[in-house]
Amino acid sequence: DAKTTQPPSMDCAEGRAANLPCNHSTISGNEYVYWYRQIHSQGPQYIIHGLKNNETNEMASLIITEDRKSSTLILPHATLRDTAVYYCIVRAPRGFGNEKLTFGTGTRLTIIP
Amino acid sequence: NAGVTQTPKFRVLKTGQSMTLLCAQDMNHEYMYWYRQDPGMGLRLIHYSVGEGTTAKGEVPDGYNVSRLKKQNFLLGLESAAPSQTSVYFCASRGKGEYSNQPQHFGDGTRLSIL
Repeated sequence: DAKTTQPPSMDCAEGRAANLPCNHSTISGNEYVYWYRQIHSQGPQYIIHGLKNNETNEMASLIITEDRKSSTLILPHATLRDTAVYYCIVRAPRGFGNEKLTFGTGTRLTIIP
Repeated sequence: NAGVTQTPKFRVLKTGQSMTLLCAQDMNHEYMYWYRQDPGMGLRLIHYSVGEGTTAKGEVPDGYNVSRLKKQNFLLGLESAAPSQTSVYFCASRGKGEYSNQPQHFGDGTRLSIL
């Protein structure tokens, strides 16, 4: 899996858009970018994933640069419940025997009232 | 819209006792996983299953056994609990396809303390 780099922490005002960056300069052509978050004492929550096109769902948008070396997760209208640790993971589709999902240190996002 | 449900949510055991953690998913997913998460550490894969009746070892399988008798359920057993097994256990599942890009979906965890 390609290595990812995220800022250790960020703050965002409630109601504003939260933009979380992730660098993955060694990403390979078949590797996807996944975003998860973990709210204190809860299980990791899947947010969104993409290969090269920008993606949007009900939770967030994922913007991937044209060279795929970095991406940004956007929470359009952050609420206090979005306070969590956000993980950017880069991995290729897996075959049997290689199923482990590896979380790095992530970005601790704090939404400020 | 339950997703992945884990029972129990909390449990305290004495050293040497046995117990079973239950994971149930209602998304008709083929693949299921058991992870543990210790303070300050990432998730570590214990065992996983690629379908009903099949199981495989992850990176930290010792001291645990698993069974997948029904597609929707994945059980994690501790035969003789040890204090080193005090942890938060997460179950996850994902959709079909050996080389799939489908994400894993997680339950809310079981917090287990071994005294």
